Amino acid sequence: QSALTQPASLSGSPGQSITISCTGTSSDIGGYNYVSWYQQRPGKAPKLIISDVNNRPSGVSSRFSGSKSGNTASLTISGLQAGDEADYYCSSYTSTSSPAVFGGGTKLTVL
Amino acid sequence: QEQLVESGGGLVKPGGSLRLSCAASGFSFSSYFMSWIRQAPGKGLECVAHISSVSGSTIKYADSVRGRFTISRDNAKASLYLQMNSLIAEDTAVYYCARGFAPFDSWGQGTLVTVSS
Repeated sequence: QSALTQPASLSGSPGQSITISCTGTSSDIGGYNYVSWYQQRPGKAPKLIISDVNNRPSGVSSRFSGSKSGNTASLTISGLQAGDEADYYCSSYTSTSSPAVFGGGTKLTVL
Repeated sequence: QEQLVESGGGLVKPGGSLRLSCAASGFSFSSYFMSWIRQAPGKGLECVAHISSVSGSTIKYADSVRGRFTISRDNAKASLYLQMNSLIAEDTAVYYCARGFAPFDSWGQGTLVTVSS
């Protein structure tokens, strides 16, 4: 069981916006602004798309945005495209003895 | 362009040992925390260990590997290592080397470790 909770799957049509939630505790998401999001396509390594709650690394589309409220972080993808179909993972710094925590991943299907 | 290349994976029997290596290039390796993250077949991501920059004096392990795995680094060789002992079937996964922690901003291609008799 993952430390952070994400929906297992989501779907949307091209052009729509979708939001993936990621719920943790005050020891991780709620206590620090070190939430990051990763996109993983089949057979590939994960790719960082959002760092520090809402920062986009260079080269990442502005259609990806992040936010946080309390113990829950969110990733919003606007103007959904077929190429966005992938698994998405959230991660957070944690004050516990663990090095970092991940969500279980959300499989995004573009209909 | 930073690059991380893992090696050392393979098939090992339960109770056996394996040492993974990660060769870094294209950035100042000693300046960054480094991490090992694994992904079991069809499953999600798990950060198994991280090590601080420069001296490597700060190390954290996931509960699932603490006491069995050891992370280390050689800044002169720009290399990260993961010594894995007392391996069990549940350690079967692709192991990724990643730069940083929270966030992990660069990843290797991964190396597959299979624990099976």
